[in-house]
Amino acid sequence: RKEVEQDPGPFNVPEGATVAFNCTYSNSASQSFFWYRQDCRKEPKLLMSVYSSGNEDGRFTAQLNRASQYISLLIRDSKLSDSATYLCVVAADYGQNFVFGPGTRLSVLP
Amino acid sequence: DAGVTQSPTHLIKTRGQQVTLRCSPKSGHDTVSWYQQALGQGPQFIFQYYEEEERQRGNFPDRFSGHQFPNYSSELNVNALLLGDSALYLCASSHSGYNSPLHFGNGTRLTVT
Repeated sequence: RKEVEQDPGPFNVPEGATVAFNCTYSNSASQSFFWYRQDCRKEPKLLMSVYSSGNEDGRFTAQLNRASQYISLLIRDSKLSDSATYLCVVAADYGQNFVFGPGTRLSVLP
Repeated sequence: DAGVTQSPTHLIKTRGQQVTLRCSPKSGHDTVSWYQQALGQGPQFIFQYYEEEERQRGNFPDRFSGHQFPNYSSELNVNALLLGDSALYLCASSHSGYNSPLHFGNGTRLTVT
Protein backbone atom coordinates (compact mmCIF):
# COMPACT_ATOMS: atom_id res chain seq x y z
CA ARG A 1 0.00 0.00 0.00
CA LYS A 2 1.32 3.45 -0.91
CA GLU A 3 1.99 5.88 1.92
CA VAL A 4 -0.33 8.55 0.53
CA GLU A 5 -3.15 7.78 -1.90
CA GLN A 6 -5.51 10.13 -3.70
CA ASP A 7 -8.54 9.92 -5.97
CA PRO A 8 -7.17 8.90 -9.38
CA GLY A 9 -8.98 11.58 -11.37
CA PRO A 10 -9.12 13.42 -13.62
CA PHE A 11 -12.11 15.43 -12.47
CA ASN A 12 -13.86 17.45 -15.17
CA VAL A 13 -16.43 19.83 -13.70
CA PRO A 14 -18.35 22.89 -14.98
CA GLU A 15 -17.69 26.36 -13.65
CA GLY A 16 -19.54 26.97 -10.39
CA ALA A 17 -19.55 23.32 -9.37
CA THR A 18 -18.48 22.01 -5.99
CA VAL A 19 -15.77 19.35 -6.09
CA ALA A 20 -14.23 17.23 -3.33
CA PHE A 21 -10.86 15.48 -3.29
CA ASN A 22 -10.00 12.65 -0.97
CA CYS A 23 -6.67 11.51 0.39
CA THR A 24 -5.71 8.63 2.69
CA TYR A 25 -2.40 8.02 4.43
CA SER A 26 -0.94 4.87 5.94
CA ASN A 27 1.36 6.19 8.67
CA SER A 28 -0.67 6.72 11.82
CA ALA A 29 2.21 8.72 13.31
CA SER A 30 1.75 11.49 10.73
CA GLN A 31 1.76 14.95 12.27
CA SER A 32 1.39 17.58 9.56
CA PHE A 33 -0.93 17.75 6.58
CA PHE A 34 -1.09 20.05 3.58
CA TRP A 35 -2.75 20.55 0.22
CA TYR A 36 -0.65 21.86 -2.67
CA ARG A 37 -1.69 22.77 -6.19
CA GLN A 38 0.54 22.29 -9.20
CA ASP A 39 -0.03 23.86 -12.59
CA CYS A 40 1.25 22.09 -15.68
CA ARG A 41 5.07 22.08 -15.79
CA LYS A 42 5.29 24.37 -12.76
CA GLU A 43 6.36 23.83 -9.18
CA PRO A 44 3.88 22.83 -6.44
CA LYS A 45 2.50 25.75 -4.45
CA LEU A 46 1.04 25.58 -0.97
CA LEU A 47 -2.73 25.86 -1.06
CA MET A 48 -3.42 25.36 2.62
CA SER A 49 -2.32 23.56 5.74
CA VAL A 50 -4.84 21.16 7.25
CA TYR A 51 -5.61 21.45 10.95
CA SER A 52 -7.25 18.91 13.22
CA SER A 53 -10.41 20.98 13.62
CA GLY A 54 -10.73 21.57 9.89
CA ASN A 55 -10.12 24.93 8.28
CA GLU A 56 -11.47 27.15 5.55
CA ASP A 57 -9.85 29.66 3.24
CA GLY A 58 -12.38 31.38 1.02
CA ARG A 59 -13.85 28.78 -1.33
CA PHE A 60 -11.55 26.05 -0.03
CA THR A 61 -12.28 23.82 2.98
CA ALA A 62 -9.94 21.17 4.33
CA GLN A 63 -10.87 18.42 6.76
CA LEU A 64 -8.76 15.91 8.68
CA ASN A 65 -9.95 12.67 10.22
CA ARG A 66 -7.07 11.15 12.19
CA ALA A 67 -9.03 8.06 13.21
CA SER A 68 -9.70 7.15 9.58
CA GLN A 69 -6.36 8.60 8.38
CA TYR A 70 -8.22 10.63 5.81
CA ILE A 71 -7.92 14.18 4.48
CA SER A 72 -10.29 16.00 2.19
CA LEU A 73 -10.35 19.22 0.19
CA LEU A 74 -13.61 20.84 -0.89
CA ILE A 75 -13.67 23.53 -3.55
CA ARG A 76 -16.89 25.52 -3.86
CA ASP A 77 -17.96 27.66 -6.83
CA SER A 78 -15.16 26.34 -9.06
CA LYS A 79 -13.36 28.83 -11.30
CA LEU A 80 -11.51 28.17 -14.54
CA SER A 81 -8.33 29.17 -12.70
CA ASP A 82 -8.78 26.28 -10.27
CA SER A 83 -7.75 23.87 -13.05
CA ALA A 84 -4.58 22.21 -11.77
CA THR A 85 -3.31 19.06 -10.10
CA TYR A 86 -4.00 18.91 -6.36
CA LEU A 87 -1.39 17.17 -4.23
CA CYS A 88 -1.99 15.81 -0.76
CA VAL A 89 1.10 16.00 1.47
CA VAL A 90 1.68 14.25 4.80
CA ALA A 91 4.63 14.68 7.15
CA ALA A 92 5.37 12.01 9.73
CA ASP A 93 7.84 14.02 11.80
CA TYR A 94 7.94 17.67 12.68
CA GLY A 95 9.38 19.42 9.65
CA GLN A 96 10.64 16.18 8.15
CA ASN A 97 9.70 13.38 5.82
CA PHE A 98 7.10 15.07 3.67
CA VAL A 99 5.39 12.46 1.50
CA PHE A 100 3.41 13.50 -1.56
CA GLY A 101 0.44 11.73 -3.02
CA PRO A 102 0.29 11.18 -6.79
CA GLY A 103 -2.08 14.10 -7.25
CA THR A 104 -5.58 14.50 -8.65
CA ARG A 105 -6.04 16.55 -11.79
CA LEU A 106 -8.95 18.98 -11.96
CA SER A 107 -10.24 20.60 -15.12
CA VAL A 108 -12.91 23.28 -14.69
CA LEU A 109 -14.81 23.69 -17.94
CA PRO A 110 -16.60 26.85 -19.17
CA ASP B 1 11.88 38.77 0.03
CA ALA B 2 13.33 36.26 -2.43
CA GLY B 3 11.68 32.88 -2.56
CA VAL B 4 13.44 29.63 -3.35
CA THR B 5 15.72 29.93 -6.37
CA GLN B 6 17.10 27.06 -8.42
CA SER B 7 19.63 26.91 -11.22
CA PRO B 8 19.82 26.05 -13.98
CA THR B 9 16.22 25.95 -15.23
CA HIS B 10 16.93 23.45 -17.99
CA LEU B 11 19.77 21.03 -18.60
CA ILE B 12 20.55 18.42 -21.23
CA LYS B 13 23.13 15.75 -20.42
CA THR B 14 24.34 12.50 -21.93
CA ARG B 15 24.17 9.09 -20.24
CA GLY B 16 27.12 8.54 -17.92
CA GLN B 17 27.74 12.21 -17.30
CA GLN B 18 27.48 13.98 -13.95
CA VAL B 19 25.28 16.95 -13.06
CA THR B 20 25.10 19.50 -10.24
CA LEU B 21 21.92 21.40 -9.45
CA ARG B 22 21.81 24.37 -7.10
CA CYS B 23 19.27 25.81 -4.72
CA SER B 24 19.02 28.88 -2.49
CA PRO B 25 16.33 28.65 0.17
CA LYS B 26 13.73 31.22 1.05
CA SER B 27 14.95 33.84 3.51
CA GLY B 28 14.58 32.59 7.09
CA HIS B 29 14.50 28.90 6.11
CA ASP B 30 17.19 26.53 7.34
CA THR B 31 16.11 23.20 5.82
CA VAL B 32 16.38 22.15 2.19
CA SER B 33 14.70 19.12 0.62
CA TRP B 34 15.15 17.75 -2.88
CA TYR B 35 12.49 15.97 -4.90
CA GLN B 36 12.38 14.24 -8.26
CA GLN B 37 9.16 14.47 -10.25
CA ALA B 38 8.57 12.38 -13.35
CA LEU B 39 5.82 13.37 -15.76
CA GLY B 40 2.37 12.56 -14.41
CA GLN B 41 3.59 11.58 -10.95
CA GLY B 42 3.85 13.26 -7.57
CA PRO B 43 7.24 14.48 -6.32
CA GLN B 44 9.45 11.71 -4.90
CA PHE B 45 11.63 12.56 -1.89
CA ILE B 46 15.37 12.32 -2.52
CA PHE B 47 16.86 13.74 0.70
CA GLN B 48 16.72 16.58 3.19
CA TYR B 49 19.52 18.72 4.59
CA TYR B 50 19.56 20.53 7.90
CA GLU B 51 22.56 22.06 9.66
CA GLU B 52 24.76 20.96 6.74
CA GLU B 53 23.95 17.29 7.36
CA GLU B 54 21.76 14.87 5.43
CA ARG B 55 18.91 14.36 7.89
CA GLN B 56 16.65 12.05 5.91
CA ARG B 57 16.97 10.11 2.67
CA GLY B 58 14.43 8.61 0.35
CA ASN B 59 14.77 5.49 -1.77
CA PHE B 60 17.39 6.79 -4.18
CA PRO B 61 20.78 5.21 -5.03
CA ASP B 62 24.11 6.56 -3.89
CA ARG B 63 24.56 8.17 -7.30
CA PHE B 64 22.43 10.92 -5.81
CA SER B 65 24.34 13.00 -3.30
CA GLY B 66 24.05 16.44 -1.88
CA HIS B 67 25.51 19.15 0.23
CA GLN B 68 24.31 22.07 2.30
CA PHE B 69 26.47 25.12 2.86
CA PRO B 70 26.69 27.38 5.93
CA ASN B 71 24.40 29.93 4.24
CA TYR B 72 21.77 27.11 3.94
CA SER B 73 22.04 26.86 0.14
CA SER B 74 22.30 23.36 -1.25
CA GLU B 75 23.51 21.30 -4.18
CA LEU B 76 22.22 18.06 -5.63
CA ASN B 77 24.75 15.93 -7.52
CA VAL B 78 23.87 13.00 -9.72
CA ASN B 79 26.63 10.77 -11.07
CA ALA B 80 26.59 8.26 -13.92
CA LEU B 81 23.36 9.63 -15.35
CA LEU B 82 20.77 7.21 -16.69
CA LEU B 83 17.96 7.89 -19.14
CA GLY B 84 15.53 7.31 -16.26
CA ASP B 85 17.00 10.27 -14.38
CA SER B 86 15.22 12.59 -16.80
CA ALA B 87 12.74 14.51 -14.66
CA LEU B 88 11.91 17.79 -12.99
CA TYR B 89 14.12 18.26 -9.92
CA LEU B 90 12.51 20.37 -7.26
CA CYS B 91 14.16 22.04 -4.32
CA ALA B 92 12.00 22.98 -1.37
CA SER B 93 12.96 24.94 1.72
CA SER B 94 11.27 25.09 5.09
CA HIS B 95 11.87 26.17 8.65
CA SER B 96 12.76 23.44 11.10
CA GLY B 97 9.76 24.28 13.27
CA TYR B 98 6.59 22.29 13.75
CA ASN B 99 4.14 22.26 10.86
CA SER B 100 6.31 24.44 8.65
CA PRO B 101 5.26 23.75 5.05
CA LEU B 102 7.59 23.35 2.08
CA HIS B 103 8.16 26.22 -0.33
CA PHE B 104 9.33 25.14 -3.76
CA GLY B 105 11.62 26.66 -6.34
CA ASN B 106 10.75 26.65 -10.04
CA GLY B 107 12.67 23.42 -10.54
CA THR B 108 15.37 22.23 -12.92
CA ARG B 109 14.21 20.18 -15.87
CA LEU B 110 16.89 17.59 -16.61
CA THR B 111 16.91 15.66 -19.86
CA VAL B 112 19.33 12.74 -20.25
CA THR B 113 19.93 11.56 -23.80
